[in-house]
Amino acid sequence: DTGVSQDPRHKITKRGQNVTFRCDPISEHNRLYWYRQTLGQGPEFLTYFQNEAQLEKSRLLSDRFSAERPKGSFSTLEIQRTEQGDSAMYLCASSFMTASGTDTQYFGPGTRLTVL
Amino acid sequence: GQQVMQIPQYQHVQEGEDFTTYCNSSTTLSNIQWYKQRPGGHPVFLIQLVKSGEVKKQKRLTFQFGEAKKNSSLHITATQTTDVGTYFCAGWGATDSWGKLQFGAGTQVVVTP
Repeated sequence: DTGVSQDPRHKITKRGQNVTFRCDPISEHNRLYWYRQTLGQGPEFLTYFQNEAQLEKSRLLSDRFSAERPKGSFSTLEIQRTEQGDSAMYLCASSFMTASGTDTQYFGPGTRLTVL
Repeated sequence: GQQVMQIPQYQHVQEGEDFTTYCNSSTTLSNIQWYKQRPGGHPVFLIQLVKSGEVKKQKRLTFQFGEAKKNSSLHITATQTTDVGTYFCAGWGATDSWGKLQFGAGTQVVVTP
């Protein structure tokens, strides 16, 4: 178990630029989640995948955000035309949903985005 | 929509003391999970509660799920400096899909020796 990894760990970009983050989940996990966390707040749900299917996307997520999980393994989160309000820690988590509904989520270290 | 609220936001504890943090949901929850995030770290899963009135213990930590499945509590006895961090509760609404986990804002715990 190598844990959930995220790349890059830090990203500084200028307003209006596009950024892409990568998440590699724990290999046997079928679910992958993206969250955003700002200072003093809990993780805010963005979207999640079961295998390669994107099953839910937050209504708070603007059209500038898109996520993919093409082969049911790693995932990417792209933010187009970044704004200063996008500055946050972007967390990825993975889990293996059991038939009984147990869904322990394992979080990665996050990607800290700063938009200047 | 569903909202999960935690109180207090901030808890300052003397080492050795007990404290409790509370989690309240505006809607009935299917289950509730608790996570701990150390300063500079990422959330780490602690426990999941599913049944109405369920109580689970992990050493000095006691977790409880309310009878109405709308609230939960975390009680820590004999606090140690290793308990420092922010404790989040998170839940799925009874009518939500089992994926959209709603987190509270957390209780930040500071322990003084």
